[in-house]
Amino acid sequence: GAVVSQHPSRVICKSGTSVKIECRSLDFQATTMFWYRQFPKQSLMLMATSNEGSKATYEQGVEKDKFLINHASLTLSTLTVTSAHPEDSSFYICSAASTSGSTDTQYFGPGTRLTVL
Amino acid sequence: GENVEQHPSTLSVQEGDSAVIKCTYSDSASNYFPWYKQELGKRPQLIIDIRSNVGEKKDQRIAVTLNKTAKHFSLHITETQPEDSAVYFCAAAGGYQKVTFGIGTKLQVIP
Repeated sequence: GAVVSQHPSRVICKSGTSVKIECRSLDFQATTMFWYRQFPKQSLMLMATSNEGSKATYEQGVEKDKFLINHASLTLSTLTVTSAHPEDSSFYICSAASTSGSTDTQYFGPGTRLTVL
Repeated sequence: GENVEQHPSTLSVQEGDSAVIKCTYSDSASNYFPWYKQELGKRPQLIIDIRSNVGEKKDQRIAVTLNKTAKHFSLHITETQPEDSAVYFCAAAGGYQKVTFGIGTKLQVIP
């Protein structure tokens, strides 16, 4: 089946620093990847849609200058949280959409738990 | 945009009983409805999905129904087992862009 990896799985950083999270589709090509944020006991909230070779589309209320997304290839998208603050602490999950055939199923990465001190 | 409502938010059932989770959506253009199971601290896992051209789909103990006219879709789990305990999310999408998730249902199966 389709496998999506995410790195790192956990990161603890000091307030004001930047953190980069990688999302990779390991056995399929994903023209579209999605970045979600999930606070404890809450649902997944879409932050942005990342398309290979073009600028990401951000959801309302998500600061594009704070959450930098780069989708450099068909198997890799990165999310950089710039100047992180404690309120950015959350579980960040990426997903990749397999576009083979007619399927549009999203496959999720294992998530990255970010803690900002 | 799409709005997905899910209920109940919590559900407790005895082992062996059935569990039903219901969702509604607002965008009539949505045509893909996946269901995800998320265990504590782990990624959501797709357990079943349904498209708008069918009304029901079953996979062993799990079934999903869709009523496009009413914009309702439901997840049915029969013969529940303790390992079914998790948070379940319904979602709606129009193609492979922008899946909108429900708020989640925490299912507890009591042995």
